[in-house]
Amino acid sequence: SQQGEEDPQALSIQEGENATMNCSYKTSINNLQWYRQNSGRGLVHLILIRSNEREKHSGRLRVTLDTSKKSSSLLITASRAADTASYFCATDAAYGNNRLAFGKGNQVVVIP
Amino acid sequence: DTAVSQTPKYLVTQMGNDKSIKCEQNLGHDTMYWYKQDSKKFLKIMFSYNNKELIINETVPNRFSPKSPDKAHLNLHINSLELGDSAVYFCASSKDLGGPYEQYFGPGTRLTVT
Repeated sequence: SQQGEEDPQALSIQEGENATMNCSYKTSINNLQWYRQNSGRGLVHLILIRSNEREKHSGRLRVTLDTSKKSSSLLITASRAADTASYFCATDAAYGNNRLAFGKGNQVVVIP
Repeated sequence: DTAVSQTPKYLVTQMGNDKSIKCEQNLGHDTMYWYKQDSKKFLKIMFSYNNKELIINETVPNRFSPKSPDKAHLNLHINSLELGDSAVYFCASSKDLGGPYEQYFGPGTRLTVT
């Protein structure tokens, strides 16, 4: 089964800086989603990008998708302490049924 | 109102016991899921149900048995608990199987088997 793999896995930045994390996957996908997980909490959906889209924005988030390279990136601009969390990409394979394969996650620490 | 709720939040039990985790969603979704997150935060799907029908059944020991009495509930029963079952279990839901749809996660149940 396919699986996203984020890189790097741990990132520590100062408040106000941008944070970028990457995700790679192995097979064809319908869409790719990014989720955030705060410590001790469930995952929260951030953004969904379809396989025919290249870039998507939501507030301070920017996601890109390169299906030829089977990779995606998540950029958080002007980071805040509240952005401290783990970020996961998840791919929905082309065979449907909304089955998501999650990557290992990136731990992002934003220092006030 | 909590969209996806799970009980209990923490569960500490001994090897060999049987335990259940309950999940309820009030979003009117048709599809529900169980995920297991290990100590390295790797999240893996275990089961999914659509309108009470089993859709996804990953390679999970048959000690794990999901039950969906109605489309708003998906419970997970685990028999003969083992040390390796210690993890955080997340319930999630989505509108249905079509989509693509985002998934809404519950707060998780931290299971510790001693």
